[in-house]
Amino acid sequence: DMDMTQSPLSLPVTPGEPASISCRSSQNLLQSNGYNYLDWYLQKPGQSPQLLIYLGSNRASGVPDRFSGSGSGTDFTLKISRVEAEDVGIYYCMQALQTSITFGQGTRLEIK
Amino acid sequence: QITLKESGPTLVKPTQTLTLTCSCSGFSLSTRGEGVGWIRQPPGKAPEWLALIYWDDDARYSPSLETRLTITKDTSKNQVVLTMTNMDPVDTATYYCVHRGYDDIWKTYRYDYWGQGTLVTVSS
Repeated sequence: DMDMTQSPLSLPVTPGEPASISCRSSQNLLQSNGYNYLDWYLQKPGQSPQLLIYLGSNRASGVPDRFSGSGSGTDFTLKISRVEAEDVGIYYCMQALQTSITFGQGTRLEIK
Repeated sequence: QITLKESGPTLVKPTQTLTLTCSCSGFSLSTRGEGVGWIRQPPGKAPEWLALIYWDDDARYSPSLETRLTITKDTSKNQVVLTMTNMDPVDTATYYCVHRGYDDIWKTYRYDYWGQGTLVTVSS
């Protein structure tokens, strides 16, 4: 299995301030088609995970533009430009390169 | 609008076989490019991928659980069924079914819609 490592694991943020989460994969997620097979999910309390970002940097339908994804190869970042109260939850990165997808440990974002 | 809903027992005993059903709407399991997977999440832990089945009955399994898993589909009911044998307390988790669709623009598959999940507890 491909290992996914996130940091930090806990992220307290003041509303209106930016936030950043890092994700590192044990294998290269950049393919010859130019796509990075890395997705980001948010799991709000008591809910199923919801897709935020796919192929490294593309926002899923309905995702606010304060969320952005970047990175390539093995190192990726999810940024929230201005955190809002509704952004609370656990953020997971997920490698979508292999059929046997794997997730990072999760980063818990909380409001200060 | 794509929706998925899991159903099955909430409590199973150790060594028993778990059978979960995913009822799908908003897409057809017989349409080329469609797939449904199962992902579980133990309490307080990250999700773990289990299995996947495509419209053409191509089935894939987690290497670490392959000997215990079977995934099938019933296109007449638009349902996907997952069975897991020899259940153990460590298999206690919320089990999700997830739509895997083909994106014609990006020419890739993507897990995009998740069911609400069903909590399965393994205990005697």
